[in-house]
Amino acid sequence: DTAVSQTPKYLVTQMGNDKSIKCEQNLGHDTMYWYKQDSKKFLKIMFSYNNKELIINETVPNRFSPKSPDKAHLNLHINSLELGDSAVYFCASSRLFSTEAFFGQGTRLTVV
Amino acid sequence: KQEVTQIPAALSVPEGENLVLNCSFTDSAIYNLQWFRQDPGKGLTSLLLIQSSQREQTSGRLNASLDKSSGRSTLYIAASQPGDSATYLCAVRQVGGNTGKLIFGQGTTLQVKP
Repeated sequence: DTAVSQTPKYLVTQMGNDKSIKCEQNLGHDTMYWYKQDSKKFLKIMFSYNNKELIINETVPNRFSPKSPDKAHLNLHINSLELGDSAVYFCASSRLFSTEAFFGQGTRLTVV
Repeated sequence: KQEVTQIPAALSVPEGENLVLNCSFTDSAIYNLQWFRQDPGKGLTSLLLIQSSQREQTSGRLNASLDKSSGRSTLYIAASQPGDSATYLCAVRQVGGNTGKLIFGQGTTLQVKP
């Protein structure tokens, strides 16, 4: 059983389109995250959610809108995609703020 | 502002060698430090989590140490194997804010040659 799963794994789309990435965790964790890994492989947090509530938004453009329908899901919707949005997006979860984090396999987004 | 640095950026060793990967951080006010492994085109696999009150953690051939006061952690890999080839990332979780946010280093890409 996959603990943290993301769909799709690959996403190629044109500039200006709107797309969504879905994330689900079956670990019973309360906290979920979105991270972005840029072309230099540097990982940086975008959002943190706890019990469906947004905790942090790390100066991410408002074209990015996370939505958590329940504790097990955290989806990422991106409007008006730009070339600079091309990256690998990782979903993660942890039981509490301070406990071990588990990551999904990533979604490679390519904007052309 | 917390900054995490990993040195070296890349490392190539022959199979069987013991090796040490380094991670340093500028702010010692951390909850814990987590080591991950990332294979090409794959996600992050958690290797070890060290709480701020701990000095080391072990899992199989891996041993991670933490010296919070000096802002350093090391990941020791014993008897390296070609299957250990991957990028190793360390990340710290800051005290305060209750966000769970991990701050990552740039990673060390390890190649173990048969």
